[in-house]
Amino acid sequence: DGGITQSPKYLFRKEGQNVTLSCEQNLNHDAMYWYRQDPGQGLRLIYYSQIVNDFQKGDIAEGYSVSREKKESFPLTVTSAQKNPTAFYLCASTRVGYGYTFGSGTRLTVV
Amino acid sequence: AQSVAQPEDQVNVAEGNPLTVKCTYSVSGNPYLFWYVQYPNRGLQFLLKYITGDNLVKGSYGFEAEFNKSQTSFHLKKPSALVSDSALYFCAVRDTASGTYKYIFGTGTRLKVLA
Repeated sequence: DGGITQSPKYLFRKEGQNVTLSCEQNLNHDAMYWYRQDPGQGLRLIYYSQIVNDFQKGDIAEGYSVSREKKESFPLTVTSAQKNPTAFYLCASTRVGYGYTFGSGTRLTVV
Repeated sequence: AQSVAQPEDQVNVAEGNPLTVKCTYSVSGNPYLFWYVQYPNRGLQFLLKYITGDNLVKGSYGFEAEFNKSQTSFHLKKPSALVSDSALYFCAVRDTASGTYKYIFGTGTRLKVLA
């Protein structure tokens, strides 16, 4: 079955550490997105990519980085510059004429 | 600026009663509107969308939504609520001003269906 896979499901980060969240899709979707979800704030866009080797900052890109070397993959790195990284992170993909398909999310906690 | 608003943080309804979750939007041009549902610690699942055509859109799990252009609203409805409908619901609109397929999401409405 086609879908979008996020891993790991739970991730713990120490202070000053960089961590990478994985997002892989086999839907042949062109566009991919990373959102951060905090209670009461809905979904906020971190980065998005419409084609391979190209990506744009969303509303809250500071402290995050991404790459898009393959159509299927859009990993998100949470750097030590992100001072409040504890949140639920959602990856999504889409193509023209269709709605978003979401992954099941990664819950990141600072320890 | 383009935006979407969900004015209620939480909606409580008795099982078997009709439910409505409200959404209003502000976009330039024709709106592309969506409803998603989220269960705890899960991603969002697509319920329904309005692109064009009939103002009453039918979606998954018996949900429907009514598009009202004059009131810039897209309220989610269900004739008879189930306890299993309890979840977090998000309204979204495509950001037509950006020339991309980005969505703008509301802050979510928690639906509680009481047995």
